[in-house]
Amino acid sequence: SSELTQDPAVSVALGQTVRITCQGDSLRNFYASWYQQKPGQAPVVVIYGKNNRPSGIPDRFSGSSSGNTASLTITGAQAEDEADYYCNSRDTSGNCWVFGGGTKLTVL
Amino acid sequence: EVQLVESGGGLVQPGGSLKLSCAASGFTFSGSAIHWVRQASGKGLEWVGRIRTKPNNYGTTYDASVKGRFTISRDDSNNMAYLQMNSLKTEDTAVYYCIRHQYSSSSGDWFDPWGQGTLVTVSS
Repeated sequence: SSELTQDPAVSVALGQTVRITCQGDSLRNFYASWYQQKPGQAPVVVIYGKNNRPSGIPDRFSGSSSGNTASLTITGAQAEDEADYYCNSRDTSGNCWVFGGGTKLTVL
Repeated sequence: EVQLVESGGGLVQPGGSLKLSCAASGFTFSGSAIHWVRQASGKGLEWVGRIRTKPNNYGTTYDASVKGRFTISRDDSNNMAYLQMNSLKTEDTAVYYCIRHQYSSSSGDWFDPWGQGTLVTVSS
């Protein structure tokens, strides 16, 4: 298997831009997907693939990838974006999946 | 509405067994792989395992931490998936989510939707 590494916590001022990163060897071969989880709720996918947003996800959320690093960018962060964010991808075998440790986003 | 609803969680003693159920609706269940993911209180998400579809021989894969103890199955006729958990350990205590796996050749994999989760507590 392989690991995905995320910063444990990130903060952003209201209305500013923040990037949350996810590093792992498997990201060289597989796309990451990103999940937002608010307290007491199930996770919700916000970005998948190269840069795809499910319906209902605001366009301030975007994704990108380079080498072994995937990124989730929130352009113009809102108070309601305060949440835990997790990246996910297949592991290097391609037969199992792995989550990053999660990033707690605080909107100041 | 696409929906997954888990049930069957509860309190079980270490070494015991429990079977979780996942009821699906609103989509063609037989055409989707199903994954289970868990989350211990205050901790991150942990992938548990998945079951593929009939054309893929209902193949299963598991995380090393549960392999040999947990078994995922499905009943496409009733739109149900199951997670049989044996030889439970205190560290298996978590909320367990079932999830529809989505895939496309251009976008890779993603999980949507997630159920609301069911709590499993392993304690004496």
